[in-house]
Amino acid sequence: DADVTQTPRNRITKTGKRIMLECSQTKGHDRMYWYRQDPGLGLRLIYYSFDVKDINKGEISDGYSVSRQAQAKFSLSLESAIPNQTALYFCATSEATGVFNQPQHFGDGTRLSIL
Amino acid sequence: SQKIEQNSEALNIQEGKTATLTCNYTNYSPAYLQWYRQDPGRGPVFLLLIRENEKEKRKERLKVTFDTTLKQSLFHITASQPADSATYLCALDLGGGGNKLTFGTGTQLKVEL
Repeated sequence: DADVTQTPRNRITKTGKRIMLECSQTKGHDRMYWYRQDPGLGLRLIYYSFDVKDINKGEISDGYSVSRQAQAKFSLSLESAIPNQTALYFCATSEATGVFNQPQHFGDGTRLSIL
Repeated sequence: SQKIEQNSEALNIQEGKTATLTCNYTNYSPAYLQWYRQDPGRGPVFLLLIRENEKEKRKERLKVTFDTTLKQSLFHITASQPADSATYLCALDLGGGGNKLTFGTGTQLKVEL
């Protein structure tokens, strides 16, 4: 089984709908991240969480919200979806080791299309 | 403005040759730099991490260099194989905790028989 699992893998929805993307992990990591990936723009950080009580905005948080329900679960919501939020969304985790850099472990993404 | 640049054009090389991918950055002072591999329909997979005070890091057929004067990292795959074909992403961490990464757009590598 995958260490970082994202659901759904694909989603097509309409403008104005509320959407939730879910991420769960079995790695026991404290830190979790949400990114979006667009062609030609690379991965951009939306939100990140250091633990259940610590949630922070990333580079492009407008139009998104998150919830850290447990150490293992981090969900991303689009309250009222718009077409320019069509993208590939990735969840990632990493260990918390103070100031030292750690690799991030990614799920396989959710492809979201907003019509 | 801050920028991370990787070759947007695909790099095609012959099996057995060494592939060299470039990551240039401007207006950053990264404490760490990471390289990831991404296959179509999959999430990025971590390959190597190098710190600002390290010049070179190796892992099996992979080698990364980090030149903070040139503001450049080079990623080498020696004895390349068709299975190495993928998109390779560099990512900068500015340090100070948080482990937040800023990614380049990636370079697609194709290794041909």
